[in-house]
Amino acid sequence: GESVGLHLPTLSVQEGDNSIINCAYSNSASDYFIWYKQESGKGPQFIIDIRSNMDKRQGQRVTVLLNKTVKHLSLQIAATQPGDSAVYFCAENWHAGGTSYGKLTFGQGTILTVHP
Amino acid sequence: DGGITQSPKYLFRKEGQNVTLSCEQNLNHDAMYWYRQDPGQGLRLIYYSQIVNDFQKGDIAEGYSVSREKKESFPLTVTSAQKNPTAFYLCASSTRTSGRTYEQYFGPGTRLTVT
Repeated sequence: GESVGLHLPTLSVQEGDNSIINCAYSNSASDYFIWYKQESGKGPQFIIDIRSNMDKRQGQRVTVLLNKTVKHLSLQIAATQPGDSAVYFCAENWHAGGTSYGKLTFGQGTILTVHP
Repeated sequence: DGGITQSPKYLFRKEGQNVTLSCEQNLNHDAMYWYRQDPGQGLRLIYYSQIVNDFQKGDIAEGYSVSREKKESFPLTVTSAQKNPTAFYLCASSTRTSGRTYEQYFGPGTRLTVT
């Protein structure tokens, strides 16, 4: 059927603040999670990933937290900059039929706007 | 430079015409994927291929077709049967590793407008 446009969650922050973007995932069997950043008119870019046997992973200015009990994922961006303004997607991976390739299921996305 | 290329960036077609979107990768990845993105929404999987000459339907395959004759190429045809083809189409690829990582690398996308 026809898809209906949805309003994405939005987060507005001031430059230099820390940002926290949240994501609820759906499948308790998911074993791998990724955060992507998508700028307008471009393809998504990998930010950071985490496996289900971890609860925290840090990158450069970014940290991902995984809470498997409540199926919640968050992305923390430290000292947010105007260049961080984009749509951020979480994605979960689970195996279908025993294949070693997973299928990524993407969340709806969150719009981050950083004000100078 | 290794990466994924999609062409063209913008594509315009009249209703009732089939159109083929190109996706090429030189990353030596086994798996390739096609997603559709509508305004204000996430990515929805159309088709994916884990190996040459094999592909599977994703969540919204109706009205689309694909082929995987070469490892590097995974073209998507949007047929006239697709009721609402105007969208942003993204191609991605991923590799099989011993660590079983599933990071997908995305191309720049093709914006298709059908009038």
